[in-house]
Amino acid sequence: AQTVTQSQPEMSVQEAETVTLSCTYDTSESDYYLFWYKQPPSRQMILVIRQEAYKQQNATENRFSVNFQKAAKSFSLKISDSQLGDAAMYFCAYRSDNQGGKLIFGQGTELSVKP
Amino acid sequence: DAGITQSPRHKVTETGTPVTLRCHQTENHRYMYWYRQDPGHGLRLIHYSYGVKDTDKGEVSDGYSVSRSKTEDFLLTLESATSSQTSVYFCATGGPSGGETQYFGPGTRLLVL
Repeated sequence: AQTVTQSQPEMSVQEAETVTLSCTYDTSESDYYLFWYKQPPSRQMILVIRQEAYKQQNATENRFSVNFQKAAKSFSLKISDSQLGDAAMYFCAYRSDNQGGKLIFGQGTELSVKP
Repeated sequence: DAGITQSPRHKVTETGTPVTLRCHQTENHRYMYWYRQDPGHGLRLIHYSYGVKDTDKGEVSDGYSVSRSKTEDFLLTLESATSSQTSVYFCATGGPSGGETQYFGPGTRLLVL
């Protein structure tokens, strides 16, 4: 069975600085998808970025980018130029290419942004 | 996102009572999912559906049942609520292919006394 681990329960960053959130996963599959979701205090789950395992190029969405290391089974999220609105819980998630598309989530990392 | 609504948004109930949560989507997505969120566990899959009347169990399905009689509606039922089912419940939908991104509803906060 696949597992996802986020080893940093809490992180803090100064406004305008850069922060990296860690995620590791375990799988025997070769085709899969990885996601980062953001959950602000409103509880809404918001997709931040996604990565297809077959793509070697790291995904980027504006200030958000990932460092995908397939061999190491690592998928970290880098937030550049941090803003107060980035403060939230961040979840890393794994999705198999089969198995009904269900997501397997990590435990989450609570990010605070200091002004 | 994806026109997903959940009802009710908040509910307080007593142990032993039945509870039904509803998820409604307007995007005609084939796949629908129910997750629960608890501190320290992230989100965990309860049940999912891959079409009308087609459902399957997830990681934490004990004590829950689901039904899907129409593409747009996916119901989650707690037959006899217990305090361990106090949680926040999220519905999600996905497109027809395995790689489609899942979009989430706003969540339902359930308290079982």
